[in-house]
Amino acid sequence: DTEVTQTPKHLVMGMTNKKSLKCEQHMGHRAMYWYKQKAKKPPELMFVYSYEKLSINESVPSRFSPECPNSSLLNLHLHALQPEDSALYLCASSQEATSGNTGELFFGEGSRLTVL
Amino acid sequence: EDKVVQSPLSLVVHEGDTVTLNCSYEVTNFRSLLWYKQEKKAPTFLFMLTSSGIEKKSGRLSSILDKKELFSILNITATQTGDSAIYLCAVEAVGGNTDKLIFGTGTRLQVFP
Repeated sequence: DTEVTQTPKHLVMGMTNKKSLKCEQHMGHRAMYWYKQKAKKPPELMFVYSYEKLSINESVPSRFSPECPNSSLLNLHLHALQPEDSALYLCASSQEATSGNTGELFFGEGSRLTVL
Repeated sequence: EDKVVQSPLSLVVHEGDTVTLNCSYEVTNFRSLLWYKQEKKAPTFLFMLTSSGIEKKSGRLSSILDKKELFSILNITATQTGDSAIYLCAVEAVGGNTDKLIFGTGTRLQVFP
C-alpha cells in the first residue's frame, strides 16, 4: 500500500464550525506533514510530525491544531477559520524527516476546504 | 531567506516539442533538489538530485543539477498531452533535527495536440 488517504475530499464550513481533516498512511513512514496550497501557488508547509512528535510548526495560527494519534494517522482540527483559509490541504508522508530522508514525499489527494 | 524560483511560470507547446523547465535556488544548508508533477490534486514524485552533473532519466523526462550555479533543469522530450501539469521544484534544506522542503512557484505546462 503506497497511498496516503485523506478525508474528506471536500469540506464546506462556516466560521464558527469545528471540523477535522484526517490523513492515513500504512507505509511505515515516521514523518507526516500538512501543507496548504492556494490556487496557482506552490504547497506551503504548515506542520511536520516526526515519530509522532511535532517537530515543525511554521507559525501557523492556533485555529489550526494538528494531532498525531499514532504513526499512521494525522489529523488537522479546524476551529474559527476565516474565508482566507479556504485552500487545498495536502497531507504527505516520508520515511523520516531527518538526514536526507525527507525528500520523497508521498502526497494524499488533498482536502479542498471552503470557509464561508 | 531561503527561496526557490522556477521559470518560465507558464509554457504552451504542441505535442512532440521538447521543453526545458528551470529551477534556481538560494538555500542555506542544501541537501537535495526534487521535482514533482502536479496534475489535478496531489503532487507526484519525479526525481531527487543530490550530486552535480549526474543526469537522472525516466522515459522522456530527464533532470540534472548544478550545485555550483545553484540550478536544475527538467527536460521533457517528445511531449504528449498527458504531460500537461504543473511541475514543482523543491529544495530540501537541513534545519535542526528536521529537514524541510521549500517549494518553487511551479511551471504550468500545457501541451496541445
